[in-house]
Amino acid sequence: AQTVTQSQPEMSVQEAETVTLSCTYDTSENNYYLFWYKQPPSRQMILVIRQEAYKQQNATENRFSVNFQKAAKSFSLKISDSQLGDTAMYFCAFMKQRAGNMLTFGGGTRLMVKP
Amino acid sequence: GAVVSQHPSRVICKSGTSVKIECRSLDFQATTMFWYRQFPKQSLMLMATSNEGSKATYEQGVEKDKFLINHASLTLSTLTVTSAHPEDSSFYICSARGTGESAYYGYTFGSGTRLTVV
Repeated sequence: AQTVTQSQPEMSVQEAETVTLSCTYDTSENNYYLFWYKQPPSRQMILVIRQEAYKQQNATENRFSVNFQKAAKSFSLKISDSQLGDTAMYFCAFMKQRAGNMLTFGGGTRLMVKP
Repeated sequence: GAVVSQHPSRVICKSGTSVKIECRSLDFQATTMFWYRQFPKQSLMLMATSNEGSKATYEQGVEKDKFLINHASLTLSTLTVTSAHPEDSSFYICSARGTGESAYYGYTFGSGTRLTVV
């Protein structure tokens, strides 16, 4: 079974600064997908960024980027130029490559962006 | 983009009654629907997985007779909480998987239903 661990229950960052959220996972799979989801106070789950395990290049989406270290089974999220709207719960998630598989979520990190 | 409409967003019901939550995929066919439960300040806990036209697969510890899931069409899945009790109060979220390549781009989530049983 896969497990996903987010070791930082809460974090805070000043507006316009950079913050990195940590995620580690455990799996025996070689091919899989990793995701970061954002859950703002509205509680709507929003996909932030996605990484395919077979790709060495780290994914980037505007101010969001990841540091994917496959050997270390680490998948951290970096948010640059933090904005007040980034305040949310962030969940790291794992999915086996085979379609139809469930997402396994980490425990979440509550991020507060301070003005 | 893909949208999943979940209703109701909030519901208050009396203990012993049943509540139905609907999730509809608006612009794609949801071959698989996942139902989650989320307690305050906690992560999402998978309750069950349903495939269109098949019986749902429940996670260990989830009572299938209490949480009835129906996935009768490629655009609609329902979760019925039967004989609800206060301990069933929670936030319920559905998530849909589409077909083809879209299935690998993360699943689309509904906006959630806050159930309060009084």
